[in-house]
Amino acid sequence: QITLKESGPAVVKPTQTLTLTCSFSGFSLSTSGVGVGWIRQPPGKALEWLAIIFWDGDKRHSPSLRNRLTITKDTSKNQVVLTMTNVDPMDTATYYCAHSPSGYDRFDYWGQGTLVTVSS
Amino acid sequence: DIQMTQSPFSLSASVGDRVTITCRASQTIRNYLNWYQQKPGLAPKLLIYAASTLRPGVPSRFSGSGSETDFTLTISSLQLEDFATYYCQQSYDPPLTFGGGTKVEIK
Repeated sequence: QITLKESGPAVVKPTQTLTLTCSFSGFSLSTSGVGVGWIRQPPGKALEWLAIIFWDGDKRHSPSLRNRLTITKDTSKNQVVLTMTNVDPMDTATYYCAHSPSGYDRFDYWGQGTLVTVSS
Repeated sequence: DIQMTQSPFSLSASVGDRVTITCRASQTIRNYLNWYQQKPGLAPKLLIYAASTLRPGVPSRFSGSGSETDFTLTISSLQLEDFATYYCQQSYDPPLTFGGGTKVEIK
């Protein structure tokens, strides 16, 4: 059974760095083809893809946020970490991590999401 | 970036109605198109992938069709539990963009 869970601060001040952790079980991020992605959703708005990291360390980021995002994995801990620098109130959103079984194919399992509010 | 445009933005329908939602890509994405359902306060759930493959466990009243740039999600007979927001997403090329969503409401 695949499960994912996001964790991180509920409130972050503008210009600070946001660090989110996705802890998962039921699969290994060392299995060929597997990836974990991050997607966010501002309140009342649509989903926005942020980044993905694969079993072999390959990673992709949203071009609009590329300079602010870092995605890393710790295979031994079954965790993926997303770091976003210089946050702004526009980054207020629910952040989800999700499992991809093969390349960019699809996100078939999602975490419950974590709401992050950027406010001074 | 590949832009994904969904229509309509929202629709009102009754239980038993046939509902169709469309998604258009700004360039060809072959059949690399997924559909998700999201209910308020919950994470999205994958319904259909590769344009027309129903995820195991998803009711057969859901179906997907299309290729290249034009895609459709159809609910053959709307049930109470289907009232939700639906998103398409292209998995052809990063950034893996989502459509703006279609909210299906009770008439």
